[in-house]
Amino acid sequence: NAGVTQTPKFQVLKTGQSMTLQCAQDMNHEYMSWYRQDPGMGLRLIHYSVGAGITDQGEVPNGYNVSRSTTEDFPLRLLSAAPSQTSVYFCASSPLLARFDNEQFFGPGTRLTVL
Amino acid sequence: AQSVTQLGSHVSVSEGALVLLRCNYSSSVPPYLFWYVQYPNQGLQLLLKYTTGATLVKGINGFEAEFKKSETSFHLTKPSAHMSDAAEYFCAVSRSGGSYIPTFGRGTSLIVHP
Repeated sequence: NAGVTQTPKFQVLKTGQSMTLQCAQDMNHEYMSWYRQDPGMGLRLIHYSVGAGITDQGEVPNGYNVSRSTTEDFPLRLLSAAPSQTSVYFCASSPLLARFDNEQFFGPGTRLTVL
Repeated sequence: AQSVTQLGSHVSVSEGALVLLRCNYSSSVPPYLFWYVQYPNQGLQLLLKYTTGATLVKGINGFEAEFKKSETSFHLTKPSAHMSDAAEYFCAVSRSGGSYIPTFGRGTSLIVHP
């Protein structure tokens, strides 16, 4: 299994540009989520999904869209990038959200810079 | 709402010294607690977790943590630090307050000096 994969690893955007961060998992996990990591702020939840066709907002959803058309994929879209979205983005998955003891499996991250 | 507090954004130790990373949580119900490690330029990976049963939990790479309900703490320790332990460590809680979604602390950067 490849686990959780993310592409690209690095990206530089100009203000106002749009892009999609890709996330895929091959473990048949129901739950997938996106976090951003900023210095001193830890991990903040952007959006999450409990299954195909179901998404919900996390702590910091503004400026981001998601969709979940398949179990495997959970892309994160930035419609109009802003410098405040410069961050490292992590995708995570776990087998079943309705188990409190589930370990989260993380991808390697995408480092995004918005100029 | 559940929350996690990690005391100290940076902890510096000498190689061979005791490692102690502090984590306190708030909870209205018995929590499930996790420690994750993030090596430079990598994603997070699970070190250990507490669900039920024995309050002293052993994880990978010689780390362990003890759940203390009376102190609402889940501190991470390792008897002897190694250079390879230098990383960012995150404490996380789930179930606390009834939320399935885990809440992460802000992280503690462990610096190991030779």
